[in-house]
Amino acid sequence: DQQVKQNSPSLSVQEGRISILNCDYTNSMFDYFLWYKKYPAEGPTFLISISSIKDKNEDGRFTVFLNKSAKHLSLHIVPSQPGDSAVYFCAASGFVQFYFGTGTSLTVIP
Amino acid sequence: DVKVTQSSRYLVKRTGEKVFLECVQDMDHENMFWYRQDPGLGLRLIYFSYDVKMKEKGDIPEGYSVSREKKERFSLILESASTNQTSMYLCASSLASGTAGELFFGEGSRLTVL
Repeated sequence: DQQVKQNSPSLSVQEGRISILNCDYTNSMFDYFLWYKKYPAEGPTFLISISSIKDKNEDGRFTVFLNKSAKHLSLHIVPSQPGDSAVYFCAASGFVQFYFGTGTSLTVIP
Repeated sequence: DVKVTQSSRYLVKRTGEKVFLECVQDMDHENMFWYRQDPGLGLRLIYFSYDVKMKEKGDIPEGYSVSREKKERFSLILESASTNQTSMYLCASSLASGTAGELFFGEGSRLTVL
């Protein structure tokens, strides 16, 4: 059973606007969450992470929000740029293992 | 910078062949992982290892085995390749045995089984 879910397979956003990618998880033992970006034919690259003791973490244009009571996290990209077009995976970890969602394909339209 | 290197970017094999996918990391990480990525299914964990000679099954270990004889190297073996093993294979490593550790990925190996 999928412990980390990304219910939107795709998202299109105009350049300069905000992109919001969502992720839900089921296991309350997860205490570390990450977002990865992946271009075709390349490995995923780390974007941003958040510990369960925080509810927000910011890095430049990228902000991750965590709502533990709802078991929900989101990634905000502001402003969105065409180079942000990629597949985004959220991941959760409780010990050694990392569990990934199915990904959201973001297209930023110039 | 952490570097995770996968030996082959693209492979084409025939059904029944034995396939070796090699992965080397250069940052002395304890943990290493093999995932496969398929459209609509995300990244699924095949096997992982938290120490030399140690291995643990992930979510989809059937049809695969692994070997970790040295800390820096983690190999994925398909004993008898089948067409449903056509996929993108991703190796990753991480330092921390607990939380707050980031996963570093290799470039991926695209395997096609005919």
